[in-house]
Amino acid sequence: QQPVQSPQAVILREGEDAVINCSSSKALYSVHWYRQKHGEAPVFLMILLKGGEQKGHDKISASFNEKKQQSSLYLTASQLSYSGTYFCGTVSGGTSYGKLTFGQGTILTVHP
Amino acid sequence: GAVVSQHPSWVICKSGTSVKIECRSLDFQATTMFWYRQFPKQSLMLMATSNEGSKATYEQGVEKDKFLINHASLTLSTLTVTSAHPEDSSFYICSARVGQNSNQPQHFGDGTRLSIL
Repeated sequence: QQPVQSPQAVILREGEDAVINCSSSKALYSVHWYRQKHGEAPVFLMILLKGGEQKGHDKISASFNEKKQQSSLYLTASQLSYSGTYFCGTVSGGTSYGKLTFGQGTILTVHP
Repeated sequence: GAVVSQHPSWVICKSGTSVKIECRSLDFQATTMFWYRQFPKQSLMLMATSNEGSKATYEQGVEKDKFLINHASLTLSTLTVTSAHPEDSSFYICSARVGQNSNQPQHFGDGTRLSIL
């Protein structure tokens, strides 16, 4: 079953912050985050594993709450280059060999 | 690192022809490769998973005889759309991963835009 992302779209001015949420009805083993620009391939951002963790690099970070079956992606001090569609992908169940199921995507637009 | 090359980038062909799309991992060995289909402004829908040297595992609703997948080496997987029809027009994206463990990231190709006239 596809994870649900919210919001569906967000518009920011440069320097503003945003949070994108990813929620699943199934127990999750891991959550992956990708960004896709129009007409291009999705680019890997990070993976979070069960056990509850936070990760980040530069001004993009994420958290994973396995009890709530949710993950959030945090973008701080947004830059124009952050524009694109963000997808979470989830692996369900108790195994690390499950397939990745992507959410419907969140369109992020950053204006000057 | 972790570059995946997909070819061709776009193809236009007549209904009834077969189209082959190649996916290559250029700087790593991909034990597992995935094929996705993406409709405009929609998510990535997994079509099939292939492991080198074995038959692909297709998702429910994906016709095996229509979408032939071959993963003959650790760096190459191909998707052949046989007897393509206008409803097969879409954006097809491959991804590759080191190992079978989903703790590893998937690295995506740039996609192939297929238009069937």
